[in-house]
Amino acid sequence: EPEVTQTPSHQVTQMGQEVILRCVPISNHLYFYWYRQILGQKVEFLVSFYNNEISEKSEIFDDQFSVERPDGSNFTLKIRSTKLEDSAMYFCASSEHRGGDTQYFGPGTRLTVL
Amino acid sequence: DQQVKQNSPSLSVQEGRISILNCDYTNSMFDYFLWYKKYPAEGPTFLISISSIKDKNEDGRFTVFLNKSAKHLSLHIVPSQPGDSAVYFCAASDDNYGQNFVFGPGTRLSVLP
Repeated sequence: EPEVTQTPSHQVTQMGQEVILRCVPISNHLYFYWYRQILGQKVEFLVSFYNNEISEKSEIFDDQFSVERPDGSNFTLKIRSTKLEDSAMYFCASSEHRGGDTQYFGPGTRLTVL
Repeated sequence: DQQVKQNSPSLSVQEGRISILNCDYTNSMFDYFLWYKKYPAEGPTFLISISSIKDKNEDGRFTVFLNKSAKHLSLHIVPSQPGDSAVYFCAASDDNYGQNFVFGPGTRLSVLP
């Protein structure tokens, strides 16, 4: 069964450093998403991406965040200058159509900012 | 700002019995609701959804009930199986084809053999 993959599984970084979280969505999917879950808290939507542009973003997704689909297979989330509060599990998801019932989530990248 | 609430952080049920997971929401604009299941070290997996034009949706052992006037939905799992042990998230959107879902904090279900 096709699946969404994410690398690395765990990223440790110093505060103020840039990080890039990588995702490989399912190959025929057209919609891509990033979510995060701070430890012990709820899953939060960050951004959705379609047709090479952001289609929707939450208030969490400020100027320090950016997303890119640099080639036909990868979908990345960049955090320019990490803060302690960026420590969380970041989930990538993809879907063939719009709608939450078609989203497939990756296993997540745990980001730890020291 | 807890627009979607799951007031039970955990629930334990005996195998074979019914599991009932509850979710409440405050935003009356929400009209599409989903349940996700999450195992440790994995991403959430879509389980079942319901649109506000319905009050019940069933898929095998899983049934979701929606009470719009009470702004309440519930997920019933019957019979519960040990493999159902996971964290269950309720999520809501004001757009049937929405991408920006608001998640609840989750309920950890433990099904005891």
